[in-house]
Amino acid sequence: DAKTTQPNSMESNEEEPVHLPCNHSTISGTDYIHWYRQLPSQGPEYVIHGLTSNVNNRMASLAIAEDRKSSTLILHRATLRDAAVYYCILRGFFGNEKLTFGTGTRLTIIP
Amino acid sequence: DGGITQSPKYLFRKEGQNVTLSCEQNLNHDAMYWYRQDPGQGLRLIYYSQIVNDFQKGDIAEGYSVSREKKESFPLTVTSAQKNPTAFYLCASSMAGDTNSPLHFGNGTRLTVT
Repeated sequence: DAKTTQPNSMESNEEEPVHLPCNHSTISGTDYIHWYRQLPSQGPEYVIHGLTSNVNNRMASLAIAEDRKSSTLILHRATLRDAAVYYCILRGFFGNEKLTFGTGTRLTIIP
Repeated sequence: DGGITQSPKYLFRKEGQNVTLSCEQNLNHDAMYWYRQDPGQGLRLIYYSQIVNDFQKGDIAEGYSVSREKKESFPLTVTSAQKNPTAFYLCASSMAGDTNSPLHFGNGTRLTVT
């Protein structure tokens, strides 16, 4: 299974941009990169996903390296509500539904 | 509203008893998953199912069992063989075979075994 690695923790000041990195050097050509975040005592929620091109939605942006071996989740203006654990996972083609999560990055927002 | 329902939110059991955690979804998703989360840790995959009447072991299946008799339901039984069952259990679902499809998670069941 293709794996991802993320820093254990990061801090950011409120109202500043946050860049959360993810390495996935063994990614295959058909794997999508998905990001989720988890607030305390809740299930993870979907944030964004992409294949090759950079993606934007109302929550965040996803920047994918040209060789696809890494990606960065960008929160443009962090708020206290963005404090959570962020997970990056790879989603492969049908027949490979064994979706594994790493330990994620715990993001702390400093007021 | 469509979503995933896990019940109960908190569950307490005595050691040596089997316990079944419920997971129901009305999203018409084929694929369903069970994850375990320990304090300060990430999610570990227990079992997953891509279609009714079929399921596969994840990374930590020992001491757990599942069934998938209906598309909308994927109950998890924590058996007495599971050495350390106290944990936060999360159920998820998605469209199978669609790499574009995000996972939808329930809000979890916190199981405490004493």
